[in-house]
Amino acid sequence: EAGVAQSPRYKIIEKRQSVAFWCNPISGHATLYWYQQILGQGPKLLIQFQNNGVVDDSQLPKDRFSAERLKGVDSTLKIQPAKLEDSAVYLCASSPGQGIGSDTQYFGPGTRLTVL
Amino acid sequence: KQEVTQIPAALSVPEGENLVLNCSFTDSAIYNLQWFRQDPGKGLTSLLLIQSSQREQTSGRLNASLDKSSGRSTLYIAASQPGDSATYLCAAPVNDYKLSFGAGTTVTVRA
Repeated sequence: EAGVAQSPRYKIIEKRQSVAFWCNPISGHATLYWYQQILGQGPKLLIQFQNNGVVDDSQLPKDRFSAERLKGVDSTLKIQPAKLEDSAVYLCASSPGQGIGSDTQYFGPGTRLTVL
Repeated sequence: KQEVTQIPAALSVPEGENLVLNCSFTDSAIYNLQWFRQDPGKGLTSLLLIQSSQREQTSGRLNASLDKSSGRSTLYIAASQPGDSATYLCAAPVNDYKLSFGAGTTVTVRA
């Protein structure tokens, strides 16, 4: 079974530029998550999709971040414009069920973003 | 609000020694707690999930305990090996679907 795929693995941009990350979850997984992990901290949930609907985006900075999950499969996370404090690893995860706390989440390798 | 704390932030032990990793959480009304492993440059891998009705969960050399009343969980790794070197994170539910993660304990096992 293929795991969660993410691209790119690394990205370096200047502040105020835009960037997009892509995630392909495990086939058949209904729930998809985007997390932000700042160095030395645990992952923080940015947005959770169930199929192609948003379950929770309360911690997504909506003035600069956007995310979509077309057709309930792949997802894209965009930052426009980027700030220095957006430097972090962006993790995508998926789970087979409805995303309840007991669902096992499967994580991708992450995209490391550096904003200069 | 669920806050999860892990102390120490880093730990270094010689090979063969048993590891004890601590996790504390503020809201004891949880229905489970999870432990994850994170290798450098990689995502998280789920290790153990303890339901609130359980006191312990075991998988191979790993054993996790949960004490809801004191707001604590402990991950034990027996007879540590260099391959156990990684960051270990615990996560407690905030609600039915959201997890709150600790910052992790980075473990180095010296050969």
